[in-house]
Amino acid sequence: GQSLEQPSEVTAVEGAIVQINCTYQTSGFYGLSWYQQHDGGAPTFLSYNALDGLEETGRFSSFLSRSDSYGYLLLQELQMKDSASYFCAVTSFSGGYQKVTFGTGTKLQVIP
Amino acid sequence: DTEVTQTPKHLVMGMTNKKSLKCEQHMGHRAMYWYKQKAKKPPELMFVYSYEKLSINESVPSRFSPECPNSSLLNLHLHALQPEDSALYLCASSQIVGRRQSNYGYTFGSGTRLTVV
Repeated sequence: GQSLEQPSEVTAVEGAIVQINCTYQTSGFYGLSWYQQHDGGAPTFLSYNALDGLEETGRFSSFLSRSDSYGYLLLQELQMKDSASYFCAVTSFSGGYQKVTFGTGTKLQVIP
Repeated sequence: DTEVTQTPKHLVMGMTNKKSLKCEQHMGHRAMYWYKQKAKKPPELMFVYSYEKLSINESVPSRFSPECPNSSLLNLHLHALQPEDSALYLCASSQIVGRRQSNYGYTFGSGTRLTVV
């Protein structure tokens, strides 16, 4: 089976930096993605890592260590609008087809 | 057009009703997905379609019946649902490279909030 673990809640101050960790156990691992979801909204794709290292996209960066089955999402210069749930998601192969399985989600609250 | 459109946005149905959820995309994506999301939980994969063929069924009960009439449309037919099936149903699409779904992210629709009474 597959399992992905994330902290359930994180609180950070506006303008600060926050890191959301994700550990996973899966077979057929292909890559790790991150999605943002505001209350009542749909998940929005943020980033994808297939190789070890850091990927940067504006204020958001994502890191992957395949040997440690670990990744994180780094959010810089936090804004109030960043308050949302953040999901890591593993892309893996199943029966010859690729599928994406979501982690438990981390609710980020940004405070003034 | 970079959107996935789902209809209806809200649906209330009785346990004996038959209804359908619809999903449409015009991004040329050849992989489409149905996810179910309960409150404060992650999306759970239900079905994957690749090139209009069902490629993954995550042991979903037969009261949920997916259909992919063409490369732009994905339906989910509902029949004899239970109250515990009440959830947000999300459709998503992605590119395919070769026989594999793309490494790029999924584009999600805004979902259908389903209530079974």
